[in-house]
Amino acid sequence: AQRVTQPEKLLSVFKGAPVELKCNYSYSGSPELFWYVQYSRQRLQLLLRHISRESIKGFTADLNKGETSFHLKKPFAQEEDSAMYYCALKGYGQNFVFGPGTRLSVLP
Amino acid sequence: DAGVTQSPTHLIKTRGQHVTLRCSPISGHKSVSWYQQVLGQGPQFIFQYYEKEERGRGNFPDRFSARQFPNYSSELNVNALLLGDSALYLCASSVNPGQRIYGYTFGSGTRLTVV
Repeated sequence: AQRVTQPEKLLSVFKGAPVELKCNYSYSGSPELFWYVQYSRQRLQLLLRHISRESIKGFTADLNKGETSFHLKKPFAQEEDSAMYYCALKGYGQNFVFGPGTRLSVLP
Repeated sequence: DAGVTQSPTHLIKTRGQHVTLRCSPISGHKSVSWYQQVLGQGPQFIFQYYEKEERGRGNFPDRFSARQFPNYSSELNVNALLLGDSALYLCASSVNPGQRIYGYTFGSGTRLTVV
């Protein structure tokens, strides 16, 4: 079975505080994990993918196969980071399996 | 480049009716995927097409069908609409189905409301 869970529907942090958006997955095989972001009134867009181990807009995510997790982290949250964040797994047949999403609200 | 374009942007239909949603991929992209996003949930995979052939199908009833044209644009058709079909329908394109590195590029979606 392939499944993505994001336990928090809403996460509120103050500007400058660290933020961690949790993502856990279940998948038989070598997973490919992604984070997508949707800012208000904008389309869903790719934030980062585990395969490239990059940092985008200060966000990083490390694939932990032992814990089957791919948490998204940023050391200092900014107000412009407020958005919906979706963790996604590239499943069998190359389609994406998305988690339910976490709404991040960065308070001033 | 116009990106992935979808039409119409909004649509209201009555239960039992049929609807056709359209998607034009990014130039050079040959794979199109359709997703349904119900309010408050993440997108759910419906179909993937590559080179005009169906390459994947999600867990949706046969009322849902799709096709891809020679120019790689795509249509999603839904027959006998139900209230539960109300959702944002997203189209995503990629160069090919594998696309290990870059993921997909999504359109803005079509908001379908069934009344």
